[in-house]
Amino acid sequence: NAGVTQTPKFQVLKTGQSMTLQCAQDMNHEYMSWYRQDPGMGLRLIHYSVGAGITDQGEVPNGYNVSRSTTEDFPLRLLSAAPSQTSVYFCASSRLTAGWSTDTQYFGPGTRLTVL
Amino acid sequence: AQSVTQLDSQVPVFEEAPVELRCNYSSSVSVYLFWYVQYPNQGLQLLLKYLSGSTLVKGINGFEAEFNKSQTSFHLRKPSVHISDTAEYFCAVSDFDNQGGKLIFGQGTELSVKP
Repeated sequence: NAGVTQTPKFQVLKTGQSMTLQCAQDMNHEYMSWYRQDPGMGLRLIHYSVGAGITDQGEVPNGYNVSRSTTEDFPLRLLSAAPSQTSVYFCASSRLTAGWSTDTQYFGPGTRLTVL
Repeated sequence: AQSVTQLDSQVPVFEEAPVELRCNYSSSVSVYLFWYVQYPNQGLQLLLKYLSGSTLVKGINGFEAEFNKSQTSFHLRKPSVHISDTAEYFCAVSDFDNQGGKLIFGQGTELSVKP
C-alpha cells in the first residue's frame, strides 16, 4: 500500500493564480481531510469529508474548495492564491468508527506552498 | 465545538530525564484523544490514542498518556527521554457528534532533548 500520497511536494504561485493540490489514499478510508500547518499554530482543519459526495468546512475554509467524487481522491483547490496561504498542507485519511468519529489518521508527506 | 490547548509551546529537557507534555481539551460530548509526533521535515505519525477503556494508554517509543475526564486533560509522559525524542508533539481531539468526527489539533509542543 502507498498509504496517503500528495502532489506536488513543492509549489510556488503568484498572487491571484489558482491551483489544485492532489491527495489520494489506497486504504479505502471513509474520512479524508486537509490541514494547513503554520509555525506556532499547529494544524488547522481546512475541509473534511466523511465519504464520496460529502464534504464539510473545518476551522479555516475561506479561499479553498474541495470535492470528493471517489473514495480514493480528495483534491484541494486554491481559487485565487494569496500570500496568507503560504503554508505546508497535509492531507490525511482514516476510517470512521461506529460513533462517526475518526480513528487513527494517516498523513501524507505534505505540500510546501509559497505564494508570492 | 471542541478545542485543544497545549499548555507549553517549548519544553527543553536533558537526556534521561522524565518529561510531561500537557494537553487540555474542551468538548460537550464524549471524545477520542490522540497524540501525534512530527520529526523535522516529516509528516505526522500516531504516538498513542484513547478511544475507550483504561484511562492509561501506552504508545510507541515508551510514551504513555492518561485520560482524566474530570480535568479534561490528556497529558503525555515518558520516564526517560532520548535525544531521538526531539520533535514536535501534537494533541488532538475528535468528538462524537452527528456531523461526523472532525479531528482538531492543539498548537503543538516542541520537545528539545539536550545531551
